[in-house]
Amino acid sequence: GAGVSQSPSNKVTEKGKDVELRCDPISGHTALYWYRQSLGQGLEFLIYFQGNSAPDKSGLPSDRFSAERTGGSVSTLTIQRTQQEDSAVYLCASSLAGRQPQHFGDGTRLSIL
Amino acid sequence: SQQGEEDPQALSIQEGENATMNCSYKTSINNLQWYRQNSGRGLVHLILIRSNEREKHSGRLRVTLDTSKKSSSLLITASRAADTASYFCAYQAGTALIFGKGTTLSVSS
Repeated sequence: GAGVSQSPSNKVTEKGKDVELRCDPISGHTALYWYRQSLGQGLEFLIYFQGNSAPDKSGLPSDRFSAERTGGSVSTLTIQRTQQEDSAVYLCASSLAGRQPQHFGDGTRLSIL
Repeated sequence: SQQGEEDPQALSIQEGENATMNCSYKTSINNLQWYRQNSGRGLVHLILIRSNEREKHSGRLRVTLDTSKKSSSLLITASRAADTASYFCAYQAGTALIFGKGTTLSVSS
């Protein structure tokens, strides 16, 4: 597709379960970003991938959060032992290396019961 | 917090009126961007203004940047119902974009 694709669009899970969120960036975009959008905190940066370089994980809120990017394309954000405060919309964006703007997917709305 | 601040938080206007949103930030920047977010959707890039630019236009959008005051404004002229959305300013800090909390614009017909 032409845009950034995220799946699932909605995810409801029980507290304590692990979840995986997927992002398929725009073809040719080597930079990939994850953000979290919640009512109390607004939009927060989580992690950044650029090509084969080590990711910038400085925004990950705890060690329950991890992300990987396989083959320089698709990325998966994993949240282990989910907590209610993890409820938010998780947005993925991609861009050409070192360039702006970032192109966003429609996000995954995560609800922790 | 590095987060930018938008003002006002919410704005309600009639179709055809102009809408002005303001953004303040706290650090030196290379550029500042504005994004729009429709309900339940991702962010759409509207315009980028570089630190050496004072004003930039794109269609019905006009953006100004005052680096001495660390502030920017977004003007939407002749608003339409389809402009109803949240608007965010954002600037780069390292590899990340730092977003303001947004202005929610409601345009009624």
